[in-house]
Amino acid sequence: EPEVTQTPSHQVTQMGQEVILRCVPISNHLYFYWYRQILGQKVEFLVSFYNNEISEKSEIFDDQFSVERPDGSNFTLKIRSTKLEDSAMYFCASNELHRGSDSPLHFGNGTRLTVT
Amino acid sequence: KQEVTQIPAALSVPEGENLVLNCSFTDSAIYNLQWFRQDPGKGLTSLLLIQSSQREQTSGRLNASLDKSSGRSTLYIAASQPGDSATYLCAARTGANNLFFGTGTRLTVIP
Repeated sequence: EPEVTQTPSHQVTQMGQEVILRCVPISNHLYFYWYRQILGQKVEFLVSFYNNEISEKSEIFDDQFSVERPDGSNFTLKIRSTKLEDSAMYFCASNELHRGSDSPLHFGNGTRLTVT
Repeated sequence: KQEVTQIPAALSVPEGENLVLNCSFTDSAIYNLQWFRQDPGKGLTSLLLIQSSQREQTSGRLNASLDKSSGRSTLYIAASQPGDSATYLCAARTGANNLFFGTGTRLTVIP
């Protein structure tokens, strides 16, 4: 069964550094998302992306965050200057277009980001 | 803002028992509700999605119900197995295509 894949599985970085988290969504999906889960807290929506632009973003997704689809397969989340509170598990997700917004989201296994 | 709550936070049952997990949401104007399973250190696996116009969905030993007017959904697991041990999350979609998650129920099935 097709999967959403994320790399790396674990990233450790120093405060103030830039990080890029990578995702390969399921190939025929056209809606892409980033969510995050701080340890012990709820999974939170960050941003959704469709047709090469952001369709919605949450309050968390401030100017330090950006997303990009650099080619036909990858979808990336960049954090420009990481803060300690950015430490979390970051999940990428995708879903289909033809069934509209009611198709299930498929999630990757996540990237655990640790900011020291 | 949509708030999603799940009770209980943790549940431990002997193998073979049937069980019910509860999810409540504050804004009844949802488009759909999705149940996920999360294993430790892993991503979220979609179990069932109930459209706003539906009352329930079934997949194998799992049955999810939705009562929009009361802001509730339940996940029923029949004949539980040790392999069902995981955290179960519900998530409601309102407005645009993003999900509001609950904090989850951590299920342990004892052999």
